[in-house]
Amino acid sequence: GIQVEQSPPDLILQEGANSTLRCNFSDSVNNLQWFHQNPWGQLINLFYIPSGTKQNGRLSATTVATERYSLLYISSSQTTDSGVYFCAVPNRDDKIIFGKGTRLHILP
Amino acid sequence: NAGVTQTPKFQVLKTGQSMTLQCAQDMNHNSMYWYRQDPGMGLRLIYYSASEGTTDKGEVPNGYNVSRLNKREFSLRLESAAPSQTSVYFCASRGAPGRGGYTFGSGTRLTVV
Repeated sequence: GIQVEQSPPDLILQEGANSTLRCNFSDSVNNLQWFHQNPWGQLINLFYIPSGTKQNGRLSATTVATERYSLLYISSSQTTDSGVYFCAVPNRDDKIIFGKGTRLHILP
Repeated sequence: NAGVTQTPKFQVLKTGQSMTLQCAQDMNHNSMYWYRQDPGMGLRLIYYSASEGTTDKGEVPNGYNVSRLNKREFSLRLESAAPSQTSVYFCASRGAPGRGGYTFGSGTRLTVV
C-alpha cells in the first residue's frame, strides 16, 4: 500500500522563526490533507491540497503531485503553533493513510 | 455547528467489559472511519464504511466490531476490552472523493485497566 513519510520527526524553534515540514508519498494521490493536532489532542484540518499551493494566514502548503511530495510552511511561529502536524493521503481503497507526524515545539 | 460528534469523551473500562463508542456526522458524508492513536504510532485505521450498509476492515480491526446504523451514524464496539486497547479513538467522515477532505471528531480517550 501507499507509504507516507514525514520529516523532520521533531522540530524545536524559537518564537518568530519560520519552518518547513515535508511529506513524501509513494504513489500518486488525488487527495492530500495537512492536520494540526494541538496539545489537547484535537485534530484540526489545515489544508485540503491535492495539488498546487494554498495559503491561510501564516500557513501555506504546496503539493507537487507529479513528484509525490507536499510541503507545509509556517511563518513567524507562535507558541500556539506547537503540536504535531500530520499529512494524510488515501490509498487505492480510499482509506486514509497518515504519516507519523512532525512534532513541533515553539519556545517563547 | 456542523461536524463529527463522538461520545463519550473519556471512558475507563475493566478488562473484559464491553462498550460502544458512538459517532455521528451531519454533513451528509458517505464515508466514515474509525482510527486509534497510540503514542509514537500516529493514527491507524480500525474500520471504515464507504456508504450506508457497508463496512470494511482497516489496518488494526482485531477486537473491534462496527455498525453503520444509517448515513449519519457509525459506531465502534469493543466486546471484551483488553489493556492493549487503551488508546485515543477518532471518528472521521468524508464526502465524495475529490469533493473535499476529511473531518475528525474530537476523540474518545479510553483506558482499560
